[in-house]
Parts: sequence; structure tokens; C-alpha cells
Amino acid sequence: RKEVEQDPGPFNVPEGATVAFNCTYSNSASQSFFWYRQDCRKEPKLLMSVYSSGNEDGRFTAQLNRASQYISLLIRDSKLSDSATYLCVVLYNTDKLIFGTGTRLQVFP
Amino acid sequence: DGGITQSPKYLFRKEGQNVTLSCEQNLNHDAMYWYRQDPGQGLRLIYYSQIVNDFQKGDIAEGYSVSREKKESFPLTVTSAQKNPTAFYLCASSGSGDRSPLHFGNGTRLTVT
Repeated sequence: RKEVEQDPGPFNVPEGATVAFNCTYSNSASQSFFWYRQDCRKEPKLLMSVYSSGNEDGRFTAQLNRASQYISLLIRDSKLSDSATYLCVVLYNTDKLIFGTGTRLQVFP
Repeated sequence: DGGITQSPKYLFRKEGQNVTLSCEQNLNHDAMYWYRQDPGQGLRLIYYSQIVNDFQKGDIAEGYSVSREKKESFPLTVTSAQKNPTAFYLCASSGSGDRSPLHFGNGTRLTVT
């Protein structure tokens, strides 16, 4: 089993749709979790950290389910500019960051 | 503005030549990292450094070398021993603490022919 797994997609959704991605992790000792966004041929950029209580930033909501070992990202009211690859990142052992392979989102008009 | 700078953006080399990729940060971060990304794959860790004059191998260190003589700088050398050097290389840094996210440079796309 991979340490961090994501559905590669692509997820093709119309503008205005709500879309959710999950990311599962195998190490129950994982400590911190992040979602990054990566545009084609660019560097990843931090979208949001994921806290135990769940957190929201505008149209984006991140949740953590430690019992089932997954994190999720919900995007409401999708915009064309949300089209990108979303990377799940998990930290464990205080210094080991593991990246998922990413989920590609394509928002169409 | 604080940030992390990689240069050059595109680099072309002949097989058999060593090449050094530059990474500089002015964020005063202790930790720096080098990742490699291949099409359709996740980022894979090459080397990382938590403090000046110290660094550790990541998951795919073979064929690469690094140095950390200054806090701001973490250059990566791709040696001729690296079997498949053509890739997108990303440098990152982070502050202290578990919740400190990575800040990435804009990457160097290396093509070896």
C-alpha cells in the first residue's frame, strides 16, 4: 500500500459545481497534513493546512479523519481558475514529508 | 519580498556531464529540501538539510550530491552517475515546527541528451 494515495482523476466538473477529493494515508503516526495546488509545469503552492477540527478558507474546506486515515478537500462553486492538480502532503516522523501523486481537476464552462 | 529562488529555469546538458542546480532562500528557514518530479508521478525526495553543514539522503539520493555551507543556499549537483536525470527539480524550505509548510522555488527543468 502506498504511504499516501490519491485518485489521479481527472475530475471534470462544470463551473459552479461542488467537488471533493480524498487522500488516504497509511501511517497512523502522521502528524501534519496539507493540501497543495500545482499548475501545469509550475511549482506546488500551499493551499491550506489541515487541522483536526477541520478548517475552511473561502470556498475551500479541508477535513481530517484520523480514525479512517484520510483527509479531504471540498471546493464549492468551482471556478475555471481552480483547474489544477491538487497534492495531498502528509508529515510523519517530524521530518518526513510524503507527497501524493495528485488529483487533477478540470473545470469547464 | 522573501522567497526561494531556483536558477536556471531551464537547463540542457549532455550525458556524462555533472550539473549544479542553484537554490537560495531569504526566508531564514533552517530546513531545505530537494525534490524531483517526473510526469504523472508525485514528488520524490532527493536530499534534505535541517541545519547548516548537515544533510541527509532522501528516497532517491543515488547520483546526486548536495552541500549546505550557508543557511541560505542548498545547491544540488546531478552527477553523471544519475541514470535518468531529465526531470523537473524543485527546491523547498520550511521553518521549524511540525506545522510549518514547505515553500517551493519555481523549479528547474533539466534535460539531458
